[in-house]
Amino acid sequence: QLQLQESGPGLVKPSETLSLTCTVSGDSISASSYYWGWVRQPPGKGLEWIGSIYYTGNTYYNPSLKSRVTIAVDTSKNQISLKLSSVTAADTAVYYCARQVAHFYYYMDVWGKGTTVPVSS
Amino acid sequence: SSELTQDPAVSVALGQTVRITCQGDSLRNYYASWYQQKPGQAPALVVYGKNIRPSGSPDRFSGSRSGNTASLTITGAQAEDEADYYCNSRDSSGNVWMFGGGTKLTVL
Repeated sequence: QLQLQESGPGLVKPSETLSLTCTVSGDSISASSYYWGWVRQPPGKGLEWIGSIYYTGNTYYNPSLKSRVTIAVDTSKNQISLKLSSVTAADTAVYYCARQVAHFYYYMDVWGKGTTVPVSS
Repeated sequence: SSELTQDPAVSVALGQTVRITCQGDSLRNYYASWYQQKPGQAPALVVYGKNIRPSGSPDRFSGSRSGNTASLTITGAQAEDEADYYCNSRDSSGNVWMFGGGTKLTVL
């Protein structure tokens, strides 16, 4: 059974870089032709797509975050990583990773439970 | 346009049928996927593509599309269907994914 688990620091200071990892278990990232994405949700607000990476390493980012976001894949560890630089309080959110299917239909079928990242000094 | 628009809130009487809509230009080219999110939980896929339900999604959930509008219909709404619902699709370029603002469904 495929499972995704987000992990990272409990708190990030303003202007610093937020770094998160999504560990995939139950399947090999490199053996599957899926995208792997990050989605966030500020407190009391809706979902926002951050970006996605294909297992080959091709990346796609939300234009509104593109200048601050880097998503990478580590196939040896079966992990996806997210780095968001120069964070502010507006980046406080629950961050989710999700598997994305993009073959004729496009959807996110497996989600992690999410990790809360407050940005505060 | 690179936006998906949803009504913020919708209500339905227990056992009745409700339709939640999502509007956007990209929906003319791409099917929407729909997610249910209950408080404190991660989103869960309920419908995608041309009305396809993943394993575990009740058959009272169905999806449709007409022009630039995608719809999620719940036929015979149950108390456990009270949740936030989000639509998702790609934009016209195909490289950007986006969510609608979400619809809070109340079951009366």
